[in-house]
Amino acid sequence: GESVGLHLPTLSVQEGDNSIINCAYSNSASDYFIWYKQESGKGPQFIIDIRSNMDKRQGQRVTVLLNKTVKHLSLQIAATQPGDSAVYFCAENTGRRALTFGSGTRLQVQP
Amino acid sequence: NAGVTQTPKFQVLKTGQSMTLQCAQDMNHEYMSWYRQDPGMGLRLIHYSVGAGITDQGEVPNGYNVSRSTTEDFPLRLLSAAPSQTSVYFCASSRTSGGWGEQYFGPGTRLTVT
Repeated sequence: GESVGLHLPTLSVQEGDNSIINCAYSNSASDYFIWYKQESGKGPQFIIDIRSNMDKRQGQRVTVLLNKTVKHLSLQIAATQPGDSAVYFCAENTGRRALTFGSGTRLQVQP
Repeated sequence: NAGVTQTPKFQVLKTGQSMTLQCAQDMNHEYMSWYRQDPGMGLRLIHYSVGAGITDQGEVPNGYNVSRSTTEDFPLRLLSAAPSQTSVYFCASSRTSGGWGEQYFGPGTRLTVT
């Protein structure tokens, strides 16, 4: 069935290191993917998106990689900062008029 | 712009009570949606709307009603609250429909049903 999942529920990194958050999806028809950041007590916030005709997209300190062969999505955060501590969700557009969200990965940045 | 606003921020209901969660956006977005988020889980789509007068069901629509009489407002009604509806509810809007493009989320409503 259609599903979006994450490999690691919690990721702990040292401040200044690079972080990699992974996401697996099962619907090969998905053509659009988004990463969201959610801080405690707040709504999700858009980070970066990528369409299926791309395999890499870069933003400010963030990079999203898409591997359609193995249905894998990753979010790379460079020089992780304490303010990056949050729960990160990947979401996919499966062709319906909505996004399907994964269960989230908590990123903890250690000073 | 205020973005997406939701009221109330917190609500406690007794089983069987009904209530309406309010959502409004001032960005003239056509697409609006309601999600619920349970502990340790991602967001699940309840209902969505691609424009005024048009609504459709999402993944978990049972027990909820919506209407979209204006572009700005998209209220979510709980008909007869049940403990299983205890959750955090998020409203979102985006300029484009179909889940494409950046969705702006409200701050959420934390609902407890006893």
